[in-house]
Amino acid sequence: DVVLTQTLVAQPVRLGDQASISCRSSQSLVHSDGHTYLEWYLQKPGQSPQLLIYEVSNRFSGVPDRFSGSGSGSDFTLKISRVEPEDLGVYYCFEGTHGTFGGGTKLELK
Amino acid sequence: QVQLTESGPGLVHPSETLSLTCTVSGFSLTGYSVYWVRQPSGKGLEWMGRMRYNGDTSYNSALKSRLSISRDTSKNQVFLKMNSLQTDDTGTYYCTRDLYRDSYAHVRWGQGVMVTVSS
Repeated sequence: DVVLTQTLVAQPVRLGDQASISCRSSQSLVHSDGHTYLEWYLQKPGQSPQLLIYEVSNRFSGVPDRFSGSGSGSDFTLKISRVEPEDLGVYYCFEGTHGTFGGGTKLELK
Repeated sequence: QVQLTESGPGLVHPSETLSLTCTVSGFSLTGYSVYWVRQPSGKGLEWMGRMRYNGDTSYNSALKSRLSISRDTSKNQVFLKMNSLQTDDTGTYYCTRDLYRDSYAHVRWGQGVMVTVSS
């Protein structure tokens, strides 16, 4: 089974800082169809998760351009260029073909 | 407007069967896949399974022996049944819809239904 590891359980940041969240897979996530179905979600307190990035680097409609996704193979990163208050919460990576979530990284104020 | 609404009992006794319903609107179950995702209280997300747009199902291997997902397209509903519930099955259960066919991205989520397993 595929395991997604988000090394940091919590990441303290200051508003306006850049933040990077890492997600590493136990194996390559390149699917046989050539796509990599790696997504990023944000769960704000008391809310359902929301899709930010799909297929590694595609920003979902309405997601601010300060969010960007990158990576390939088994190593992926979500970057937030300038953290705003509404960005605080828990970030999860997810691989769709295996149905596996990472453990989550809580972005919190320093 | 795309909406998913989970419903079911808030309390289930240990060893009993959980039955949840996801009622959808704004899209067709034959056009998009619907998923179940759960979140134990205070913990992370766990993918449970999928009802594909063509009626195929797939399950988390860790839950497969206890889990069944079905649907009624005429009622726009997807059902989850999981047997032999234990206390660590307590948490919030979400149904979701994908972004496009076989995209696997959970673009729309229900508000979730809280399930407590307790005697």
